[in-house]
Amino acid sequence: AQTVTQSQPEMSVQEAETVTLSCTYDTSESDYYLFWYKQPPSRQMILVIRQEAYKQQNATENRFSVNFQKAAKSFSLKISDSQLGDAAMYFCASDSGAGSYQLTFGKGTKLSVIP
Amino acid sequence: DAGVTQSPTHLIKTRGQQVTLRCSPKSGHDTVSWYQQALGQGPQFIFQYYEEEERQRGNFPDRFSGHQFPNYSSELNVNALLLGDSALYLCASSLEPSGGSEQYFGPGTRLTVT
Repeated sequence: AQTVTQSQPEMSVQEAETVTLSCTYDTSESDYYLFWYKQPPSRQMILVIRQEAYKQQNATENRFSVNFQKAAKSFSLKISDSQLGDAAMYFCASDSGAGSYQLTFGKGTKLSVIP
Repeated sequence: DAGVTQSPTHLIKTRGQQVTLRCSPKSGHDTVSWYQQALGQGPQFIFQYYEEEERQRGNFPDRFSGHQFPNYSSELNVNALLLGDSALYLCASSLEPSGGSEQYFGPGTRLTVT
């Protein structure tokens, strides 16, 4: 079974600073996708960024970027120039590969942004 | 463009009762997945529907069942409710085929079992 581990239950960052959220995963698949989702207090889960495992280049989306280490099965999220609106729960997730749409989520990291 | 909608927003039921939750996918999406999110946890996959059939199922008992209608909307039914079924139930839709399994989530239904 797939597992996704987020070892930081809570993190905080000063506004305008940079923060990195950690995630490790375990899968036997060779081709899969990894995701970071954001869940603000309003509850609606929003996709932040995704990474295709067979692509070596790290994905970036504006202020959000990932550090994908396939051999180490590590997938961290870096948020640059943190904004108050970045405060939320962040979930790392992996699909099951081979065309599966099932997502396995970690337990999440609560990010606080200090003004 | 309407996103994923879910109803009701909140629901309170008594142990042993049955409940039905509803989901309308994002416009143009034909695949619906359901997740259970217990307090303080990440979402757990319940099952996925495509072409009105259950395509994948997570580790949930048969008390959890679902249905997808021809308009792609979906229902989640839970029978013989237990206290442990109290959770936020999330619906997510996606486009089949969709590289990267990008899923769009609804706001959820908060179910409380007393």
